[in-house]
Amino acid sequence: EIVLTQSPGTLSLSPGDTATLSCRASQSVSSSYLGWYQQKPGQAPRLLINGASGRATGIPDRFSGSGSGTDFTLTISRLEPEDFAVYYCQQYGTSLTFGGGTKVEIK
Amino acid sequence: QVQLQESGPGLVKSSETLSLTCTVSGGSVSGHYWSWIRQPPGKGLEWIGYVFYIGNTNYNPSLQSRVTISIDTSKNQFSLKLTSVTAADTAIYYCARSSNPFFLLDNWGQGTLVTVSS
Repeated sequence: EIVLTQSPGTLSLSPGDTATLSCRASQSVSSSYLGWYQQKPGQAPRLLINGASGRATGIPDRFSGSGSGTDFTLTISRLEPEDFAVYYCQQYGTSLTFGGGTKVEIK
Repeated sequence: QVQLQESGPGLVKSSETLSLTCTVSGGSVSGHYWSWIRQPPGKGLEWIGYVFYIGNTNYNPSLQSRVTISIDTSKNQFSLKLTSVTAADTAIYYCARSSNPFFLLDNWGQGTLVTVSS
């Protein structure tokens, strides 16, 4: 089973800042099978990024994904108040796993 | 617009079987993969397993011995059964759809809290 490790655990930033979130896999992941999700309190997760770098439907362009192999990054430019949330990466190999999450909080 | 809605008991006794159903509206279950995911209060996400619309399944290895996921295309529903539950199975349970072949979860239900009591 592929283990995804997200860092940092918490990111304290101000609106307008840029957030850089990391997701590292215990073995190589095909980029097509790597996604990022946003979860706000009391809500279900929402798919942000598919295929490591493609934005899901309706996702603003301040969200971008990159990476390959074992290292993937989610970048959120110009943080808006509604972007403060928890973010998860997810992969599918033979089994589906999530990272432990990164909380982006207001500084 | 496709919507998913979880239903089932919110309280299950320890050692018994947790049973949930996800009803899909606004679209068909055909052609897609359908997953169950859970989230203990204040913790991260754990995938439980999926069912393909023709009945193929894949489960989280850590839960495989206790999980059954099935689908009823005539009712546009799929279901989860988790046997021999303990307090560790207390969580919000989500159903979700993968409309792509890469198992990315692009549509989620709102989730339902299931508490296991002793």
